[in-house]
Amino acid sequence: DTAVSQTPKYLVTQMGNDKSIKCEQNLGHDTMYWYKQDSKKFLKIMFSYNNKELIINETVPNRFSPKSPDKAHLNLHINSLELGDSAVYFCASSQGSNTIYGYTFGSGTRLTVV
Amino acid sequence: QKEVEQDPGPLSVPEGAIVSLNCTYSNSAFQYFMWYRQYSRKGPELLMYTYSSGNKEDGRFTAQVDKSSKYISLFIRDSQPSDSATYLCAIGANFGNEKLTFGTGTRLTIIP
Repeated sequence: DTAVSQTPKYLVTQMGNDKSIKCEQNLGHDTMYWYKQDSKKFLKIMFSYNNKELIINETVPNRFSPKSPDKAHLNLHINSLELGDSAVYFCASSQGSNTIYGYTFGSGTRLTVV
Repeated sequence: QKEVEQDPGPLSVPEGAIVSLNCTYSNSAFQYFMWYRQYSRKGPELLMYTYSSGNKEDGRFTAQVDKSSKYISLFIRDSQPSDSATYLCAIGANFGNEKLTFGTGTRLTIIP
């Protein structure tokens, strides 16, 4: 029944490792997003895909690479993890590529880099 | 200047009190105004959404927008301990491929 699901929920890894986070939505939405939430709860957009096409690519280190195999899935691969990458990463989806209807968020992936 | 400013709190009020949460924004082109509620260790969930100046009510929640002052508010009446969460305002526009811009969130605790 989960509308937007992310895996894993928790990820603890060492500096320098490469890791991936997966997201799936069953709402029939055609736009998906990755947001990063820091320790002060500030949510900042990273990427957005509409029907598998990258439409928003904020200033993010190129160690972060999103991939959308179809409109229901959006993955995030992170190379050479750094301490500053520790945060909660949220996937979200929306109907259409504008903001009029708001987003539905997943429950987040808490990444800790040690 | 940040696009959206929100007092991070924390804010603690006794049960039953009226809570007022506020955000200001800088760009008058923004058209859509939302409030999200985020419980600890969960994702944000959409609470209220409006696109015009004035008030919108939903149960104990009222969203207020003043576009002339670029000021949005969320009021919670008869606050309950279950309202304890972080509240994030979010604003958006409609020029095409847009993103929601979020405030930093206000952490609210309702004391029984």
